[in-house]
Amino acid sequence: SQQGEEDPQALSIQEGENATMNCSYKTSINNLQWYRQNSGRGLVHLILIRSNEREKHSGRLRVTLDTSKKSSSLLITASRAADTASYFCATETSGSRLTFGEGTQLTVNP
Amino acid sequence: EAGVVQSPRYKIIEKKQPVAFWCNPISGHNTLYWYLQNLGQGPELLIRYENEEAVDDSQLPKDRFSAERLKGVDSTLKIQPAELGDSAVYLCASSLGSGEAFFGQGTRLTVV
Repeated sequence: SQQGEEDPQALSIQEGENATMNCSYKTSINNLQWYRQNSGRGLVHLILIRSNEREKHSGRLRVTLDTSKKSSSLLITASRAADTASYFCATETSGSRLTFGEGTQLTVNP
Repeated sequence: EAGVVQSPRYKIIEKKQPVAFWCNPISGHNTLYWYLQNLGQGPELLIRYENEEAVDDSQLPKDRFSAERLKGVDSTLKIQPAELGDSAVYLCASSLGSGEAFFGQGTRLTVV
């Protein structure tokens, strides 16, 4: 069963624009993580935000977490063609269970 | 340091045949996950190990799927017999308990 739901399912933007992806979840979490997956490859961890944090930055990535709304957003600023990939949110619940959403397919056009 | 290693990368088998996937996690990682990923979807958890103990296998179809993690290091996932619907990518990941999980490249299974 999927804990998270991502929105939108697909996003197409021009290079240099910002990309925002949203994730909603259902149960209490220890932390929320974002991963990236290039076509045919494994997942790569991008950023982790703990349940007591509201915002976190890493390079061109900004993640927010609203535990009252059970939602998170991932912002990629100044996007590049190389950012084209699928992005997944994953929630860690009790006992280190890591559950993924369905993902957002991001296409950055040169 | 080597990442999570999975083998084989690709496997094609006929339905009703058995198949096994192997995973070598990052050294020292006590938590090991097996996920199934269908095309265009997110990974779905099959089983999670803490050391050699399967602590979360509620989503493992136990009639045909089995897994083991001997000595709390390498792990093997087996399907017997395979069905057409088992065609997917099988991902292995490991972590130091809570936090960032490191994924292997996956094994793409095609059942014909």
